[in-house]
Amino acid sequence: DAGVTQSPTHLIKTRGQQVTLRCSPKSGHDTVSWYQQALGQGPQFIFQYYEEEERQRGNFPDRFSGHQFPNYSSELNVNALLLGDSALYLCASSLYKFSQETQYFGPGTRLLVL
Amino acid sequence: AQSVTQLGSHVSVSEGALVLLRCNYSSSVPPYLFWYVQYPNQGLQLLLKYTSAATLVKGINGFEAEFKKSETSFHLTKPSAHMSDAAEYFCAVSDRGRGGSYIPTFGRGTSLIVHP
Repeated sequence: DAGVTQSPTHLIKTRGQQVTLRCSPKSGHDTVSWYQQALGQGPQFIFQYYEEEERQRGNFPDRFSGHQFPNYSSELNVNALLLGDSALYLCASSLYKFSQETQYFGPGTRLLVL
Repeated sequence: AQSVTQLGSHVSVSEGALVLLRCNYSSSVPPYLFWYVQYPNQGLQLLLKYTSAATLVKGINGFEAEFKKSETSFHLTKPSAHMSDAAEYFCAVSDRGRGGSYIPTFGRGTSLIVHP
């Protein structure tokens, strides 16, 4: 049973560019959440997708957008990259109907913006 | 609004010694509480969670935590540290969000260092 997978593992971009990160949830899960973890910090919630819609959003600007596909996989897009967007981006999956369900995290994508 | 405070950004113990990582939370409703572990260059792995059942929660790898409502605390302990326990530990609190789903708010993390 494959867990949460993310791609790519590492990425280097320059300021102003756009980036797309991808996530496949754990088998049987239908909800995907994205987090940003800056160096030395805890993960910060970006948004959550269920039934291909954004259900909840954290305190992140509109430059951060996402998408969920019919197979429950998800993408995180960041436009007009800033140096401060350099971080580890974590994807977590869960089952929506069991709202207390634990979120399972992927290994993350480390983004460096130069 | 919910929040978590982890006391001590670094905790250093000797192998075989007691591990105690402190976490205090703030929540307007009865919370769900979690401890996650993150090994270098990896994602987060759930150690244990409290969801309003027993106040003493046992997790994986010999860790346990006790929910103390009067102290708003959820400290993580392990009787005997092992070298393999060296990692970053995150405490998290969550309550039901707008969409009915629980979104955890994480603390800043505590780095556990284990000396031989």
